[in-house]
Amino acid sequence: KNQVEQSPQSLIILEGKNCTLQCNYTVSPFSNLRWYKQDTGRGPVSLTIMTFSENTKSNGRYTATLDADTKQSSLHITASQLSDSASYICVVIPNTDKLIFGTGTRLQVFP
Amino acid sequence: NAGVMQNPRHLVRRRGQEARLRCSPMKGHSHVYWYRQLPEEGLKFMVYLQKENIIDESGMPKERFSAEFPKEGPSILRIQQVVRGDSAAYFCASSPEGAYGYTFGSGTRLTVV
Repeated sequence: KNQVEQSPQSLIILEGKNCTLQCNYTVSPFSNLRWYKQDTGRGPVSLTIMTFSENTKSNGRYTATLDADTKQSSLHITASQLSDSASYICVVIPNTDKLIFGTGTRLQVFP
Repeated sequence: NAGVMQNPRHLVRRRGQEARLRCSPMKGHSHVYWYRQLPEEGLKFMVYLQKENIIDESGMPKERFSAEFPKEGPSILRIQQVVRGDSAAYFCASSPEGAYGYTFGSGTRLTVV
């Protein structure tokens, strides 16, 4: 069983709408949790970084939340744009130097 | 600061040939990580190196794969006698210290024909 599970696997929304992506993890303990955006054919780019003691972190139209008790995180995208079409990856970093990646949510934004 | 540079961006090899993938970390970064991403799958850790040392190679297949990060020059991921199953995107990331400040390169797409 994957230590970092993401849902939904894929999502289609219309431009201008909001959406929320989910991440459930079993990694414990962990030092921080990150959300990455990966455009097709590109490397992942960091959106947010949260330590286990943080509940929320925003980066423009992206807001990540973290509930360390239930081991859940979400990424909320506000007023989606066509350029938001990408894969969004939840990454958990245990107290080591190794990142543990979720399989991602593929988001498509249509006009 | 040019970021993490990987080359080539695309590499085509016939079965049985060798593939060499290069990664130049960001300036000031002494930690390099290699990941493999199969089509429609997430990134999987392969190996973690510091200058001249392999720190963790637990994700690296035991045969045909090797990695190095010499004192001078880029990190090299080497795949000998490639097979079709090696076709994937290989990403390199670097950081100044540990997992904080991770930056990814754009990847090398290896196709084995």
